[in-house]
Order: sequence, then structure tokens, then C-alpha cells
Amino acid sequence: NAGVTQTPKFQVLKTGQSMTLQCAQDMNHEYMSWYRQDPGMGLRLIHYSVGAGITDQGEVPNGYNVSRSTTEDFPLRLLSAAPSQTSVYFCASSPTWAGSQPQHFGDGTRLSIL
Amino acid sequence: GESVGLHLPTLSVQEGDNSIINCAYSNSASDYFIWYKQESGKGPQFIIDIRSNMDKRQGQRVTVLLNKTVKHLSLQIAATQPGDSAVYFCAEIPGGATNKLIFGTGTLLAVQP
Repeated sequence: NAGVTQTPKFQVLKTGQSMTLQCAQDMNHEYMSWYRQDPGMGLRLIHYSVGAGITDQGEVPNGYNVSRSTTEDFPLRLLSAAPSQTSVYFCASSPTWAGSQPQHFGDGTRLSIL
Repeated sequence: GESVGLHLPTLSVQEGDNSIINCAYSNSASDYFIWYKQESGKGPQFIIDIRSNMDKRQGQRVTVLLNKTVKHLSLQIAATQPGDSAVYFCAEIPGGATNKLIFGTGTLLAVQP
């Protein structure tokens, strides 16, 4: 199993451009989530999904859209990139949406907005 | 969210010593806690977890202690090795039917050979 795979690993955008960050997992996990990590800070939850067709907002959802058409994929879309969205983005998954299960993380996408 | 700016708290230890990394959590209703290790350029990696009905849990070279009275969590690493150098995050799940993690700001563990 590859686990959680994120692409691309690095990306530079200009302000106003749009982009989709890809996340795929091959563990048949129901729960998937997106976090952003800024320097010197912990991870903050952007959006999450408890199963195919179901998404919800996390702590910092503004400027981001998600969809979950399949169990395996959970893409994150930036519709109009802003410099404040420069960050490292992590996708994670766990078997179900219930608590008491550790989430498995991908290795991140490093995004710079100029 | 919480922030300590650009500078993480740092714990510097000698190789072979024991390390203790501390974390204060915010929500008294949290019922599940996790420690993650993050190496440079990588995503967080699960180390150990503990439920709120426990005070202590041991893994291989790691022990997590939970003090619910003062809302404090600690990670003890025995015989610290250079490969343990990383940023360590505690995370809590605030309870209820959810898997939404709330992360602390992290501690940088630097192991001196």
C-alpha cells in the first residue's frame, strides 16, 4: 500500500491563479482531511470528509473548496490564490470518522503564492 | 488558533539521555490524545496515543502520561537517539463523534551526539 499520496510536492502560483492539490489514499479509509501548516505553528484543519459525497468545514475553510466523489480521492481547490495561502498543505486519512483512531498523513505539498 | 510565532520551543538533549516533551491541552472534554513526530520535509508520523480513561501508556522506548486534572500531556523518550531529532506535536480530539484533530504548536527535539 502506498498510504496517503499527495501531488504535487511543490508548486509556485501567482496571485489570482487557481489550482487543485491532489490527495489519494489506497487504504479504503472513510475519513479524509486537509490541514495547512505555517512556520512555527501546528496544523490547522481546513476541510474534512467523513465519507464519499460528504464534506464539512474545519477551522480555516475560507478560500478553499473540496469534494469527495470517491472514497480514494479528496482534492483541495484554491479558486483564486492569495499570498496568505502560502503554506505547507497536508492530507490525512483514518479508517472511520469516529474518534480514537490516529490519522495517517501524506508528505505534504509546499505551496508558494507570489 | 494558538501560536508562538516563528520560533518553536526547543529541547536539546544528549544522545542516550531520556527526553520529556510537554504539552498543555485546552479542552477538558477531549477524550483522545495523540503524539506525532514530524521530520523535516515529511508529514506527521503517529507515535503513540492515549484515551482519557488512562493515565499512562507505554510503547517501544516511548511513554505518554496524561494528567487530566491540570490538562497536561507528556511524551517520554528513553535513551534518545539522533534519529529522534524532529518536531513533536501533541493533538487532541475534543470528544463526541468526530475525528477532528486539534494540534499544539510543537516542540523541536535536538539530539546532540
